[in-house]
Amino acid sequence: DAMVIQNPRYQVTQFGKPVTLSCSQTLNHNVMYWYQQKSSQAPKLLFHYYDKDFNNEADTPDNFQSRRPNTSFCFLDIRSPGLGDAAMYLCATSRYTDTQYFGPGTRLTVL
Amino acid sequence: DQQVKQNSPSLSVQEGRISILNCDYTNSMFDYFLWYKKYPAEGPTFLISISSIKDKNEDGRFTVFLNKSAKHLSLHIVPSQPGDSAVYFCAASSGTYKYIFGTGTRLKVLA
Repeated sequence: DAMVIQNPRYQVTQFGKPVTLSCSQTLNHNVMYWYQQKSSQAPKLLFHYYDKDFNNEADTPDNFQSRRPNTSFCFLDIRSPGLGDAAMYLCATSRYTDTQYFGPGTRLTVL
Repeated sequence: DQQVKQNSPSLSVQEGRISILNCDYTNSMFDYFLWYKKYPAEGPTFLISISSIKDKNEDGRFTVFLNKSAKHLSLHIVPSQPGDSAVYFCAASSGTYKYIFGTGTRLKVLA
């Protein structure tokens, strides 16, 4: 089955310790997205890749970076996690501006 | 400024009855709308979409209605089943890669 996979599902890190979350897809979609979702809030777009072109949202902190080494994989790097970065991180993919399909998410805990 | 609003944080419905989830938007440039369902500890799952050239789209038990003049859309689930208990998000786009999500409505279907 074509799908969006996120690893790990749960990640615990220490305050200030860099962490990397990964996303892979078998849908062969050209666009990949990273969202942050906090409890009872709407998913918030951090950035997206259209093919290899990186598009950052204006209000995404510099602490958040992303890499897309190939069509199938995309990574979210949090350089110095703070307590406020604890959230669910969702990866999504789409074919151009069509419907976005989400992975299961990674729950990040910052101690 | 929240461009997509789901004003009911929760809704309880008896099994077999109709569930109606509402979503309001403020941006008249939005022309494509999606509904997602989200179970705890999982990513959002795409349910149904509607383009602004339509006022209704149906898929099995799920129907989405769009009222462009009122900037309002609704998701009808008939008949409601206990497995429908989840958080439902609406999302809107103006033909770009960016979707704006609402904060979600938690539906509980009572057996």
